[in-house]
Amino acid sequence: ILNVEQSPQSLHVQEGDSTNFTCSFPSSNFYALHWYRWETAKSPEALFVMTLNGDEKKKGRISATLNTKEGYSYLYIKGSQPEDSATYLCASHSGAGSYQLTFGKGTKLSVIP
Amino acid sequence: EPEVTQTPSHQVTQMGQEVILRCVPISNHLYFYWYRQILGQKVEFLVSFYNNEISEKSEIFDDQFSVERPDGSNFTLKIRSTKLEDSAMYFCASSVLPRADTQYFGPGTRLTVL
Repeated sequence: ILNVEQSPQSLHVQEGDSTNFTCSFPSSNFYALHWYRWETAKSPEALFVMTLNGDEKKKGRISATLNTKEGYSYLYIKGSQPEDSATYLCASHSGAGSYQLTFGKGTKLSVIP
Repeated sequence: EPEVTQTPSHQVTQMGQEVILRCVPISNHLYFYWYRQILGQKVEFLVSFYNNEISEKSEIFDDQFSVERPDGSNFTLKIRSTKLEDSAMYFCASSVLPRADTQYFGPGTRLTVL
């Protein structure tokens, strides 16, 4: 059974601080890693899909890195703003024959103005 | 920007009743999915659907569950006889391609079984 873990579970930061959180996943049969940003009562918003070891992707103040050999990805937020407050979910896609995403439990970020 | 929509946003039903959750995927997408999240737990995969067939399903997706694409736009999840443990947020998603392509999620339907 594929097990995706995220840490920390929750995080409070001051506005302007930079922060990062971790997603770990089994490195065997790895195919793709997805990051989502989810605000309550809204659709989870796709941030990144990453497939290659060493991949780094950026979207505004948010960036992510991927290490498929050791099975982890980091999500970074530079200069956090109150509107960054959300739950950040990662999901792993394993095996070329599988359609499903396996999610972690998420990191809930609260940015204090 | 195109988005996945789901109706209703909240459904309350009695145990043993049938429910149908509805989704309108993004129009040019070919792959469709249902996931659910029981309160406090991880989002879990239920089923994927392509070319009018189930392409993959999880152990959760037993005989009580079925999916259908009744027309060119809707994608439905039916639970035949709801149980208390079916109470969850149900998410529909769609993608152009499978596997490494982005899956776009709807806002979810909260199902409460009493």
